[in-house]
Amino acid sequence: DGGITQSPKYLFRKEGQNVTLSCEQNLNHDAMYWYRQDPGQGLRLIYYSQIVNDFQKGDIAEGYSVSREKKESFPLTVTSAQKNPTAFYLCASSIRGALETQYFGPGTRLLVL
Amino acid sequence: QKEVEQNSGPLSVPEGAIASLNCTYSDRGSQSFFWYRQYSGKSPELIMFIYSNGDKEDGRFTAQLNKASQYVSLLIRDSQPSDSATYLCAVRSSNDYKLSFGAGTTVTVRA
Repeated sequence: DGGITQSPKYLFRKEGQNVTLSCEQNLNHDAMYWYRQDPGQGLRLIYYSQIVNDFQKGDIAEGYSVSREKKESFPLTVTSAQKNPTAFYLCASSIRGALETQYFGPGTRLLVL
Repeated sequence: QKEVEQNSGPLSVPEGAIASLNCTYSDRGSQSFFWYRQYSGKSPELIMFIYSNGDKEDGRFTAQLNKASQYVSLLIRDSQPSDSATYLCAVRSSNDYKLSFGAGTTVTVRA
């Protein structure tokens, strides 16, 4: 059963705390992406990775970090430097290429205590 | 100017009618265009994509692309209450693999 999984579904962060959101895919996709969605807004790109051990900053990378040690996994860490982390975080993946389509995981909702 | 613009809505249509959603984009070199449906509290799911000028039909959905005018539209025929959702337009830029998303149009189909 192929797909993209994200965990946890809900995550609560205390002030000054780093938290890590998990994203795993078994679609054999090369590229993976992290987006943030705020109420009433479109998706904004945080980081993306085209291949293992390589990733690029998106439009709003400040306060976030990622790693891509395995093709299947692309975890996102929300650091204490991200002052407004409350949002819906979406992971996506795609086959690398000019016309590939991105497919999304179920998302993680991050809330600040 | 935003890269991708959509009317936020809400767009209210009666059941059985046609819902028409529009999206304009600023990057003239964009080559691929996507429509996603997002139910409240859920992640986006792909409805369809289009690369060439003209119309592309998939069931009750039709995507229309006009690169000269830099707009892409989505028609939903025979609208059903289950079509009530936010529809996101996404455009791939001409020089990399990133997608730019519009803010979405909220559609409500009233029975």
